Amino acid sequence: EAQVTQNPRYLITVTGKKLTVTCSQNMNHEYMSWYRQDPGLGLRQIYYSMNVEVTDKGDVPEGYKVSRKEKRNFPLILESPSPNQTSLYFCASSRLGDNQPQHFGDGTRLSIL
Amino acid sequence: RKEVEQDPGPFNVPEGATVAFNCTYSNSASQSFFWYRQDCRKEPKLLMSVYSSGNEDGRFTAQLNRASQYISLLIRDSKLSDSATYLCVVNDRSGAGSYQLTFGKGTKLSVIP
Repeated sequence: EAQVTQNPRYLITVTGKKLTVTCSQNMNHEYMSWYRQDPGLGLRQIYYSMNVEVTDKGDVPEGYKVSRKEKRNFPLILESPSPNQTSLYFCASSRLGDNQPQHFGDGTRLSIL
Repeated sequence: RKEVEQDPGPFNVPEGATVAFNCTYSNSASQSFFWYRQDCRKEPKLLMSVYSSGNEDGRFTAQLNRASQYISLLIRDSKLSDSATYLCVVNDRSGAGSYQLTFGKGTKLSVIP
């Protein structure tokens, strides 16, 4: 089954404790992306990647890191999480090109205390 | 800054009604356009792409006006199952190697029995 898998689905942690949210896709998509969704602000892009070893900042990259060592994986790293990073996070992937839809993971709800 | 603006909603309509959502985008170089639906606390799912000539999928019709930088979604014969938040999404490919997606904040639709 074609899918984007995020882990964990839920995480409560404390300020400053490094964490990684994993994202994996099995569709051989070139493009992968991370979003955060907050009430009243909608979905905002954090980082995206158009291919292996190629990453670019989205609209809200501060406080986040990503890597794309393999085509299928695109982990989101919070080196020193802070409470303002409490949010619902989505990973997505797609082929490159016009009119290519995004396939989203189920989401990760992060709470930073 | 690239912007995608949508009707704020919420739209509360009776079953069987026709409802229209509008969306404007600021970047004239935008290449691809989509409507997604998102159910409460779930991942966004593609409803339909929006093509220059307009396109229809059952009860749903999407229109694009590049001159006015305006996208619309029309839902005919609304069903209870149409209740969701509808997201307008624009793919910006204006810069060299740029492939950034911008989401509108969404319009909430509630279809009432």
